[in-house]
Amino acid sequence: GAVVSQHPSRVICKSGTSVKIECRSLDFQATTMFWYRQFPKQSLMLMATSNEGSKATYEQGVEKDKFLINHASLTLSTLTVTSAHPEDSSFYICSALDTDTQYFGPGTRLTVL
Amino acid sequence: AQSVTQLDSHVSVSEGTPVLLRCNYSSSYSPSLFWYVQHPNKGLQLLLKYTSAATLVKGINGFEAEFKKSETSFHLTKPSAHMSDAAEYFCVVSEGGVNRDDKIIFGKGTRLHILP
Repeated sequence: GAVVSQHPSRVICKSGTSVKIECRSLDFQATTMFWYRQFPKQSLMLMATSNEGSKATYEQGVEKDKFLINHASLTLSTLTVTSAHPEDSSFYICSALDTDTQYFGPGTRLTVL
Repeated sequence: AQSVTQLDSHVSVSEGTPVLLRCNYSSSYSPSLFWYVQHPNKGLQLLLKYTSAATLVKGINGFEAEFKKSETSFHLTKPSAHMSDAAEYFCVVSEGGVNRDDKIIFGKGTRLHILP
């Protein structure tokens, strides 16, 4: 099946710094990618939809200036958490759309100290 | 509007016995339905999907699900549970297609516990 990678798998940063997370579709091209956030023991919350070559569409309540998304190519989308704070600590998961199915990356555990 | 209800937040079964994880959905259109599995601190893996073909869908690791339109259900089953099946399972519905909004709606998840 289709494979999606994320890098890094874990990151620890200091409060106020920015962190970039990469999401790559390894064996297919993805016009559309999605970014999710998962709180402990909860389901996934869609943060934004990323379309190659255009601006991302953010869900209500998600700060677009804080969570910067860039979908520069058909195989790469990045999420940058700017000026991170401890409340941004979470598990971030991306997915890439292949025809009618979303394939998920392995996730990135962000811890902000 | 579309929605997904996973009726059980936790399910416990003994190893070697059948597994049933329940999922009901509502959708204004013909939906696509998916089951994903998430092992602790891991990403999501697609188990199986229904996209308007055969109503009985076979997936990986011996799982299958049956789409029942009259009952608006898409329950996940496995004849014999294995210890490695212990994980969180998400039922997902999408009304999107290639040229439509492909957002998906997640159920709240069902934690499957396997008893030795």
